[in-house]
Amino acid sequence: AQSVTQLDSQVPVFEEAPVELRCNYSSSVSVYLFWYVQYPNQGLQLLLKYLSGSTLVKGINGFEAEFNKSQTSFHLRKPSVHISDTAEYFCAVTRTGANNLFFGTGTRLTVIP
Amino acid sequence: DAGVTQSPTHLIKTRGQHVTLRCSPISGHKSVSWYQQVLGQGPQFIFQYYEKEERGRGNFPDRFSARQFPNYSSELNVNALLLGDSALYLCASTVGLAAYEQYFGPGTRLTVT
Repeated sequence: AQSVTQLDSQVPVFEEAPVELRCNYSSSVSVYLFWYVQYPNQGLQLLLKYLSGSTLVKGINGFEAEFNKSQTSFHLRKPSVHISDTAEYFCAVTRTGANNLFFGTGTRLTVIP
Repeated sequence: DAGVTQSPTHLIKTRGQHVTLRCSPISGHKSVSWYQQVLGQGPQFIFQYYEKEERGRGNFPDRFSARQFPNYSSELNVNALLLGDSALYLCASTVGLAAYEQYFGPGTRLTVT
């Protein structure tokens, strides 16, 4: 079975500062990894995904993530955050051939002016 | 192209009642999945339907059921509502069965009083 741990429930950061949201996964088989963002009262929007190939994945809105198989991590980073990045961020995992995603409990990113 | 649509947006029900939530997938997508997101947690998989057949089910009681119609839209039904069923119900659509191409709708906020 797959599972995801998001180590920080809340991350406050000042505007224009860099941020890293941490995600660790557990799985005995090859995985696909995702980061989704959820703005207040909205559904989930895909930021980026790792399926195969380069371990550094670039997504929308200036976000990127690095797949680290040895550390079973998929941390999300942005070099300079904006007020509009304030939202809930979810890391998710699935395995080859699976039909559902397993989500972490989310990290609330708050950007402080 | 329209994204995934869900109706209603919000719903208030009383314990013991029944509720039906609706989802229309992206045009050309044949699979619909349902997730439950309780406040403060990540989404949890309930069902996947593909070509009108149930292809996956999460750890939810039999009070939860779903179906998919010939036009690939879907309904999620919940009987004998409990307070703990209060959540955001998300629908996701994909072209096929694989979970790595899921596009989420805005969700239906269900409140059980």
